[in-house]
Amino acid sequence: AQKVTQAQTEISVVEKEDVTLDCVYETRDTTYYLFWYKQPPSGELVFLIRRNSFDEQNEISGRYSWNFQKSTSSFNFTITASQVVDSAVYFCALSEAASGGSYIPTFGRGTSLIVHP
Amino acid sequence: NAGVTQTPKFQVLKTGQSMTLQCAQDMNHEYMSWYRQDPGMGLRLIHYSVGAGITDQGEVPNGYNVSRSTTEDFPLRLLSAAPSQTSVYFCASRSTGTGLNSPLHFGNGTRLTVT
Repeated sequence: AQKVTQAQTEISVVEKEDVTLDCVYETRDTTYYLFWYKQPPSGELVFLIRRNSFDEQNEISGRYSWNFQKSTSSFNFTITASQVVDSAVYFCALSEAASGGSYIPTFGRGTSLIVHP
Repeated sequence: NAGVTQTPKFQVLKTGQSMTLQCAQDMNHEYMSWYRQDPGMGLRLIHYSVGAGITDQGEVPNGYNVSRSTTEDFPLRLLSAAPSQTSVYFCASRSTGTGLNSPLHFGNGTRLTVT
């Protein structure tokens, strides 16, 4: 079973629409970390946000917002008023402690967002 | 700031050839790792290292070797390339000294094709 599930393989929207990217994770740890990364068509991977398991506050950064709910093991990402520049593949990742104590990130399969003008 | 530098950017190999993908970081990060990205599969961890002299296997280690002789460098070796290793490879590093939740810094990737 996947530890991080991004059920939406591809989402297509028209500019100015709001869009939510889903991320569901699975862990038995009480301490863990969640991340979102963006991969634009140019190919580089860019960090967007991190959240630890003890901080369930939602966060808003400009047009981006994140909704972390431990009760449903979800960490969803919403883009408000989408723009063409938001077109990218978005990855959700979970960091859990490995046997040696290091936190090892596991990535979901990504959601490809296409924003049409 | 160079960050994480991967070389080469592109490589074509024939089945059975060997090669080394280079990764260097100048941020004094303790943690370094290699991922491969395949369509529909996301990023899968190949090997990782938590410091010089320490390496461990990730999810898909078969066919790859790594070593970590210095903090800065983390090369990935393909001993005998196979078409199944055609992929985009990303090196990533992060600091472990500033807390457990530091994000990964990625290189720009190496696109490898094995024919």
